[in-house]
Amino acid sequence: DAGVTQSPTHLIKTRGQQVTLRCSPKSGHDTVSWYQQALGQGPQFIFQYYEEEERQRGNFPDRFSGHQFPNYSSELNVNALLLGDSALYLCASSRNNYGYTFGSGTRLTVV
Amino acid sequence: GESVGLHLPTLSVQEGDNSIINCAYSNSASDYFIWYKQESGKGPQFIIDIRSNMDKRQGQRVTVLLNKTVKHLSLQIAATQPGDSAVYFCAENMDSGAGSYQLTFGKGTKLSVIP
Repeated sequence: DAGVTQSPTHLIKTRGQQVTLRCSPKSGHDTVSWYQQALGQGPQFIFQYYEEEERQRGNFPDRFSGHQFPNYSSELNVNALLLGDSALYLCASSRNNYGYTFGSGTRLTVV
Repeated sequence: GESVGLHLPTLSVQEGDNSIINCAYSNSASDYFIWYKQESGKGPQFIIDIRSNMDKRQGQRVTVLLNKTVKHLSLQIAATQPGDSAVYFCAENMDSGAGSYQLTFGKGTKLSVIP
């Protein structure tokens, strides 16, 4: 039974560019949450997707957007990248608000 | 600010000793708490969870204690091993309304096991 899969594992982008990160949830999970983790910090909630809609959003600007597909997989898009967007981006899947399982993350570096 | 925080940022423990990592939370309505272990360059790994209707839960070498009166969580690791060296986070599952929950994390405690 595959866990949460994220791609790519590492990414380097230039300021002002746009990036798309992908997440496949654990089998049986229907909810996907995205987190940003800066170095030495705990993960910060970006948003959560359920039934293909954004259900809850953290304190992140509109440059951060997402999507969930009918197969429950999800994408995180970040526009107009800033140096401060450099972080580990984590995807967590769950079902009925329990059993949060995290992927290994995508390390984004903005130069 | 974050509703979940940790008392100690670092903890050094001798191999074979027991480790105790503490966590405070502020949202008394939270009904579910999770401890995660995160190794360098990896995503958080589930260790153990506890619901608010419980005071204690045990797993393999780990025990989580929940004190709702003072809104405090602790993670106890028995016979700490070098492989336990990592950053440990507690996370609080908060009701954001309309059936939506989100996990809120603290900054983490770095556990270093001394051989």
